[in-house]
Amino acid sequence: KQEVTQIPAALSVPEGENLVLNCSFTDSAIYNLQWFRQDPGKGLTSLLLIQSSQREQTSGRLNASLDKSSGRSTLYIAASQPGDSATYLCAVRLSAGNMLTFGGGTRLMVKP
Amino acid sequence: GAGVSQSPSNKVTEKGKDVELRCDPISGHTALYWYRQSLGQGLEFLIYFQGNSAPDKSGLPSDRFSAERTGGSVSTLTIQRTQQEDSAVYLCASSSGQINPKFNTEAFFGQGTRLTVV
Repeated sequence: KQEVTQIPAALSVPEGENLVLNCSFTDSAIYNLQWFRQDPGKGLTSLLLIQSSQREQTSGRLNASLDKSSGRSTLYIAASQPGDSATYLCAVRLSAGNMLTFGGGTRLMVKP
Repeated sequence: GAGVSQSPSNKVTEKGKDVELRCDPISGHTALYWYRQSLGQGLEFLIYFQGNSAPDKSGLPSDRFSAERTGGSVSTLTIQRTQQEDSAVYLCASSSGQINPKFNTEAFFGQGTRLTVV
């Protein structure tokens, strides 16, 4: 059974810092991995999708990397802003038609 | 539609009543997923559809929960005889679900239905 773990569970940083969120998964035979953002009381917003054949994806100040062999992904946020405050979730999919298995999330607070 | 649409956005119901939650996926998406998020908890998988069939119902917590999808589009999640522990946000997502790696299987979520059982 695939298990996904996110560390840390919560993180508080001052505005402007670069930060790294970690995601690990137990079954390395994944199809893809997706990072989401969730604001309080809202649904999930897709940030980045990394296919199993890819090593990283970038969108603006966000960079996600994938190391399948070690079962790890990181989300790098450059020059953090208060608007980045949210819960960040990673999810893995074992095959194209399979469900997403989620980690518990990292609750990020960026202080002005 | 432009995104995944869920209705109602909020539902308050009395214990013991039945409720229906609706999900309208992105047009053309064959895969549809239901998740539940209880207060302060992570996402709990409920059920997955590929087209009209549900190859994975493993997450449904009890036989009070059922879901259907007709016409390969809209899905309805039904909870019978609701209990207070059913209170949660119910989230729906869709993706292309194609096996060919050329297809982008990025999942998109709706805003959820907040269910409160009183």
